[in-house]
Amino acid sequence: DAGITQSPRHKVTETGTPVTLRCHQTENHRYMYWYRQDPGHGLRLIHYSYGVKDTDKGEVSDGYSVSRSKTEDFLLTLESATSSQTSVYFCAISSHFSLVQVMNTEAFFGQGTRLTVV
Amino acid sequence: AQSVTQLGSHVSVSEGALVLLRCNYSSSVPPYLFWYVQYPNQGLQLLLKYTSAATLVKGINGFEAEFKKSETSFHLTKPSAHMSDAAEYFCAVSGSSGTYKYIFGTGTRLKVLA
Repeated sequence: DAGITQSPRHKVTETGTPVTLRCHQTENHRYMYWYRQDPGHGLRLIHYSYGVKDTDKGEVSDGYSVSRSKTEDFLLTLESATSSQTSVYFCAISSHFSLVQVMNTEAFFGQGTRLTVV
Repeated sequence: AQSVTQLGSHVSVSEGALVLLRCNYSSSVPPYLFWYVQYPNQGLQLLLKYTSAATLVKGINGFEAEFKKSETSFHLTKPSAHMSDAAEYFCAVSGSSGTYKYIFGTGTRLKVLA
């Protein structure tokens, strides 16, 4: 299994509080991603990073911020949690490396963080 | 913009029957395509990937998928379903250059009937 650790694995928080989720990788992959999974919506991209201090928004970025100060860590912060942010959050990594004979193009996923906002 | 459509949010098959899960993509450039499987309370595991080396791709657990450019499809099949195949399956697309995001379909939950 790819070395991806998400913490915490479960969290219950109150509306209006800030929450930070951590993703840690040991693969030295360049790209890191945060997704949320909700029934009927599949996985939707929140933010992603293409290098240290290089991040960009995904399709559902409102209310979320990210930071990547080291290659191995990608933090997702809910600035003021709302009930609509109750979800399962997945971190993913990829090297997205392709040459003629080497196609490391897939993403590898962590085990997820179940966040409940009450 | 890239997108993926999975037809059928729930599919039921009998044990031993053919599994067919449908995925259509839209992409302005030749894409990379993937199928992932998710078992309950777990992360996503790669089943197989298309990277233009071959149109018929074989994956783990007896699954395979065929890339058909003319139909913009990448359907997942398995000749004989097993009870252990019950899970949720996601199709995903990623760009071949310049776009390193993975766009997922909404998923298909496969139920295998004894």
